[in-house]
Amino acid sequence: EVQLVESGGGLVQPGGSLRLSCAASGFTVSSNYMSWVRQAPGKGLEWVSVIYSGGNTYYADSVKGRFTISRDNSKNTLYLQMNSLRAEDTAVYYCARGYYDSSGWLDYWGQGTLVTVSS
Amino acid sequence: NFMLTQPHSVSESPGKTVTISCTGSSGSIASNYVQWYQQRPGSAPTTVIYEDNQRPSGVPDRFSGSIDSSSNSASLTISGLKTEDEADYYCQSYDISNHRGVFGGGTKLTVL
Repeated sequence: EVQLVESGGGLVQPGGSLRLSCAASGFTVSSNYMSWVRQAPGKGLEWVSVIYSGGNTYYADSVKGRFTISRDNSKNTLYLQMNSLRAEDTAVYYCARGYYDSSGWLDYWGQGTLVTVSS
Repeated sequence: NFMLTQPHSVSESPGKTVTISCTGSSGSIASNYVQWYQQRPGSAPTTVIYEDNQRPSGVPDRFSGSIDSSSNSASLTISGLKTEDEADYYCQSYDISNHRGVFGGGTKLTVL
């Protein structure tokens, strides 16, 4: 059974850093493309970043240069390193598995982890 | 940048049929697959339609998806509405040429 479990969220001050983790089971993270999607309180879903099975990474303009997506194949875990955090980064962050590289479909999602950026 | 636009809210009575639209801002919406996700309060999104018109296992055939190239839009149709269908629905696509995911703003469906 495919499962994704996020962790690492919490309260951080503006300008601070946080690393989110997404532990996967039931499949290998390096075999699928993986994405992070966020949802600000009371708002809609926003795509954040993707890492393809081949390792290429891409970001939304709103986080480019501040966030880094990566994976540890030995731990079967996806990460999102978030630096220079802003109040507008406050959101629930979901990791999601891509069906295959050109599909676009995110077929499995984690339960999300809340990041609050506030002083 | 490619954007998807949805109505903010729709409402319909139980047993009726409702259609939620998702309009692409530029280019052809048919160039990349469209997905539809259902999200209930406090829960992660779940898929009701993927790759334009495919239903995942377990999703009832009351849910259907389509693409209309002439209006550059995708649609989610839910027939035989049930109160349990009340939720937020998001369309989503992936611009493979620019390597960017995109979500519509979401539509709140009220079944009353």
